Amino acid sequence: DAKTTQPNSMESNEEEPVHLPCNHSTISGTDYIHWYRQLPSQGPEYVIHGLTSNVNNRMASLAIAEDRKSSTLILHRATLRDAAVYYCILRDPRMGAQKLVFGQGTRLTINP
Amino acid sequence: EPEVTQTPSHQVTQMGQEVILRCVPISNHLYFYWYRQILGQKVEFLVSFYNNEISEKSEIFDDQFSVERPDGSNFTLKIRSTKLEDSAMYFCACTGLALYNEQFFGPGTRLTVL
Repeated sequence: DAKTTQPNSMESNEEEPVHLPCNHSTISGTDYIHWYRQLPSQGPEYVIHGLTSNVNNRMASLAIAEDRKSSTLILHRATLRDAAVYYCILRDPRMGAQKLVFGQGTRLTINP
Repeated sequence: EPEVTQTPSHQVTQMGQEVILRCVPISNHLYFYWYRQILGQKVEFLVSFYNNEISEKSEIFDDQFSVERPDGSNFTLKIRSTKLEDSAMYFCACTGLALYNEQFFGPGTRLTVL
């Protein structure tokens, strides 16, 4: 699996935007960029994914660099409930329903 | 919204005992997984299961571990003879056939081996 690099931790304030970076310089042309998060004492949950174009859903936005070697998960208006560990994971859909390979992720702290 | 359920939420057992962790995946999903997370560490893949057989397993998933779908709805993880180092959160996950194969995780079972 291609490797991703994320900061160990980040901190932000409630109701402010949060930009969580991920570097994936060895990404292949068929790898999708997936983001999952793990709230305290819960299982991981899917956040968003993309291939080349920026993506938006009800939870977040994903901005993908033109060369695809990095991406940024954007929480537009963080709430206390967004405090979690965020994981950036590369997945190749040609591999079918393959396992997720989690790194250490970024621990996001939200200050009230 | 459909969800994955796991029972029990917390299991305490003595070293050497057998434990069975249970999961009810989302109905009509076809791929099933077990992951574990030792306290303070990252989530690790254990095994994936499709069409009633193991499709992939990690080095962690040794002969002490087994999985089955006994009745077409439950998905179980059995540890035959638990060790202290098996203490962890165990997460069940499942996925359908979507192109991006989003995985849905259960809330986990905390296993404590004494």
